Amino acid sequence: AQSVTQLGSHVSVSEGALVLLRCNYSSSVPPYLFWYVQYPNQGLQLLLKYTSAATLVKGINGFEAEFKKSETSFHLTKPSAHMSDAAEYFCAVSTTSGTYKYIFGTGTRLKVLA
Amino acid sequence: EADIYQTPRYLVIGTGKKITLECSQTMGHDKMYWYQQDPGMELHLIHYSYGVNSTEKGDLSSESTVSRIRTEHFPLTLESARPSHTSQYLCASSDFPQHYEQYFGPGTRLTVT
Repeated sequence: AQSVTQLGSHVSVSEGALVLLRCNYSSSVPPYLFWYVQYPNQGLQLLLKYTSAATLVKGINGFEAEFKKSETSFHLTKPSAHMSDAAEYFCAVSTTSGTYKYIFGTGTRLKVLA
Repeated sequence: EADIYQTPRYLVIGTGKKITLECSQTMGHDKMYWYQQDPGMELHLIHYSYGVNSTEKGDLSSESTVSRIRTEHFPLTLESARPSHTSQYLCASSDFPQHYEQYFGPGTRLTVT
């Protein structure tokens, strides 16, 4: 069975500081991993995805994530936080059981301090 | 830009009313999903569909029902709304294979008074 764990339900950073949002997964087979962002009263928007090509994945808005099999991690980073990055971030893994379901983490709310 | 639409965006309705939340996508995706999300909380899968005439219950038990008689349309119905149904409902779709991401609609925020 696959699962996703996001460490830290709330993260605060200063504007211009490094953003690091943690995601660990559990999977018996190579996973497909995703990071989504959700702004208030909106749906989820894809930031980036890992599909077994390059381990360092670049996404929109300056975000990137690195797939580390040895650590079963897929942490999301951005070198310099902007006020507009304040949102909820979800890590997800797509299941390989043939049901085409996606398992989402519990989310991390990012707050950017001026 | 993904083309998946949900209506209404906001709905306030009294207890006992029947409601239908609409979800449509123009991408021709076979797979569609309904999630329930309380404010600031995780997503819970309540229904999904692999294609026309295919519907399955998700991981979270829900009193709602869904139908899929057209590829592009996946409505969710509550026969008798209750205050416990107050939540945000998100519709999503995806294409084959499994590494294709899900595309989300803007959501419907439902309040049952």
